[in-house]
Amino acid sequence: AQSVSQHNHHVILSEAASLELGCNYSYGGTVNLFWYVQYPGQHLQLLLKYFSGDPLVKGIKGFEAEFIKSKFSFNLRKPSVQWSDTAEYFCAVINTGGFKTIFGAGTRLFVKA
Amino acid sequence: NAGVMQNPRHLVRRRGQEARLRCSPMKGHSHVYWYRQLPEEGLKFMVYLQKENIIDESGMPKERFSAEFPKEGPSILRIQQVVRGDSAAYFCASSPPGAAETQYFGPGTRLLVL
Repeated sequence: AQSVSQHNHHVILSEAASLELGCNYSYGGTVNLFWYVQYPGQHLQLLLKYFSGDPLVKGIKGFEAEFIKSKFSFNLRKPSVQWSDTAEYFCAVINTGGFKTIFGAGTRLFVKA
Repeated sequence: NAGVMQNPRHLVRRRGQEARLRCSPMKGHSHVYWYRQLPEEGLKFMVYLQKENIIDESGMPKERFSAEFPKEGPSILRIQQVVRGDSAAYFCASSPPGAAETQYFGPGTRLLVL
C-alpha cells in the first residue's frame, strides 16, 4: 500500500536557521507530490507541488522541494526560517490519475524568535 | 472567488448524538473528497463523491458514517451515534472535473465528542 513517511515529528529551530524536512514515499508508479502547511488554527494551504518537469520546485514563502525519484524522496527546504514559519507541515502524494491523497503524519516546526 | 467552505468550524456532541458536517466545494468543482485527521496523525482519505454518486468510500468506517453530495446543496458527512473516538478534524476538498489530483482543501470541522 502507498505510504508517506516524514522523518521528524517535531523540529525546533532558531530564526535564520536553515530548514530541511524529510519526506519519503512508497509507490512504484508515477506520482504527484505536495507539501502543505497548516498554521495554528488555520486550514491546510498548499506550499508547492510537483507533477512533472524540473525536479526542483519552488513554492510560496521561500520554500522549495526537490524530487529525487531514485530515493523516492521529496524533501522540503528553506534557507532561512522566520518565526512566522511556525506551523505543521505535511508531505502528501497522489498517484497520477488517482484521487486518494496520502498524507504523512506531519512535522511540527517551532521557530524561536 | 470563494474557496472550499465547511461548516460548522467547531462542533461539540455528546456520545450517542448525530454529527452533520457540511462542505460546499469551490465554484465549478463537482468532485468532493472527505478526509479525517485524528490527533497526532496526518489526514486520511474517507470518501470521494461526485454529484449524486459515491465513487469510492474505501476509507469510511463501515458503520455509523455516511456521506452524500446531492444535486443541489452542499456535501454532507453524517456520523450517527458518535463515540469519543470520532473526535477529530474532518477536512473536505474539491476538484474540478478531470483533475482529481488538484484538490483544494477547506478549513476543516473540528468535532469534539464529550
